[in-house]
Amino acid sequence: RKEVEQDPGPFNVPEGATVAFNCTYSNSASQSFFWYRQDCRKEPKLLMSVYSSGNEDGRFTAQLNRASQYISLLIRDSKLSDSATYLCVVRMNTGFQKLVFGTGTRLLVSP
Amino acid sequence: EAGVAQSPRYKIIEKRQSVAFWCNPISGHATLYWYQQILGQGPKLLIQFQNNGVVDDSQLPKDRFSAERLKGVDSTLKIQPAKLEDSAVYLCASSLTIGRGGDEQFFGPGTRLTVL
Repeated sequence: RKEVEQDPGPFNVPEGATVAFNCTYSNSASQSFFWYRQDCRKEPKLLMSVYSSGNEDGRFTAQLNRASQYISLLIRDSKLSDSATYLCVVRMNTGFQKLVFGTGTRLLVSP
Repeated sequence: EAGVAQSPRYKIIEKRQSVAFWCNPISGHATLYWYQQILGQGPKLLIQFQNNGVVDDSQLPKDRFSAERLKGVDSTLKIQPAKLEDSAVYLCASSLTIGRGGDEQFFGPGTRLTVL
């Protein structure tokens, strides 16, 4: 079983739609959680951290359910510029605290 | 503020040849990471340095891959000899410290390697 699992998509949505991505992780000792965004042929960039209480940044909302080992990202009012791959990332609770990336979920927003 | 620099951006080699990638992290960042990203997958950590010391190289194929960060600043990653399955983007990242809570990793643009 993969440490971090995501649906690769692609998710095709029209502008203005609301879309949600899910991610599950296998290691219950995982410490911190993030969503990174990666544009085509570009490097990953941190989108937002995910807190136990949930957090919101503009049109983006992230949720964490530690009991179910589940992370979500909700994008409201999708824009064309939101088209990208969204990587679910878990920081393992080991001595070196390395990041483990999911395969990413591809989002395509169309006019 | 200058970001993480990597070179070359693209490299095409034949199998069994050698190749080296260079990374210059953000100034003042003590921790440097090399990731391998195969098409359709997320980045996979190969090696992590804290200053000039290796703190995690558990996923580095040490029979053919090597990396160094001699002066605790820039770093090189070498593959010798390359195999077809090494075709990937090699991403370098840096962070201020060794991944404490809230510490962000900043990625360079990557080197896209094609092994023929």
